[in-house]
Amino acid sequence: DTGVSQDPRHKITKRGQNVTFRCDPISEHNRLYWYRQTLGQGPEFLTYFQNEAQLEKSRLLSDRFSAERPKGSFSTLEIQRTEQGDSAMYLCASTGSGIYEQYFGPGTRLTVT
Amino acid sequence: DAKTTQPPSMDCAEGRAANLPCNHSTISGNEYVYWYRQIHSQGPQYIIHGLKNNETNEMASLIITEDRKSSTLILPHATLRDTAVYYCIVRVEAAGNKLTFGGGTRVLVKP
Repeated sequence: DTGVSQDPRHKITKRGQNVTFRCDPISEHNRLYWYRQTLGQGPEFLTYFQNEAQLEKSRLLSDRFSAERPKGSFSTLEIQRTEQGDSAMYLCASTGSGIYEQYFGPGTRLTVT
Repeated sequence: DAKTTQPPSMDCAEGRAANLPCNHSTISGNEYVYWYRQIHSQGPQYIIHGLKNNETNEMASLIITEDRKSSTLILPHATLRDTAVYYCIVRVEAAGNKLTFGGGTRVLVKP
């Protein structure tokens, strides 16, 4: 098992463009989380999936953000009409039934110019 | 989930024990204490967790006070690779429960 992977690792985009990030969780994990981390702060929860169902969304997840997890495997996080305030590290984590820890990926660092 | 308070930073000498405090005075009876760390440019990594008994694993020890209002994470022999931000989190054990991170403690291990 190679752990949680995220792609791309870095993304630079111009304000107003759309971006999409991908997360591949550990294969047997049915729960997947997205977090956002700005410089000097701890990660903040964005949304949570159990299998393909999106069960919780933070109020941080504005209507420009959308997340999917088709077939309960990988997940995508899309940001439409990016703003400079969206610049952050976007972290994905996964876990499974009976597992108490969340396993984090390396993150995707987004820079909006 | 209950809020935690940690010192913003601390230094530690390589090879010595590092004791990281955490206050969680409003913790509920069903909330666990979790510790994660985040090395620069990496995702957070689970270290240890406990409810009320002291816990030890290959990475660290967790000491929880009897009233459960505070805890200490102990890194027994700090190495330079232990330089990281350490987060203390309290949370209920429930399916799907998210992690709520505070500011953490930035630990610098010095040679």
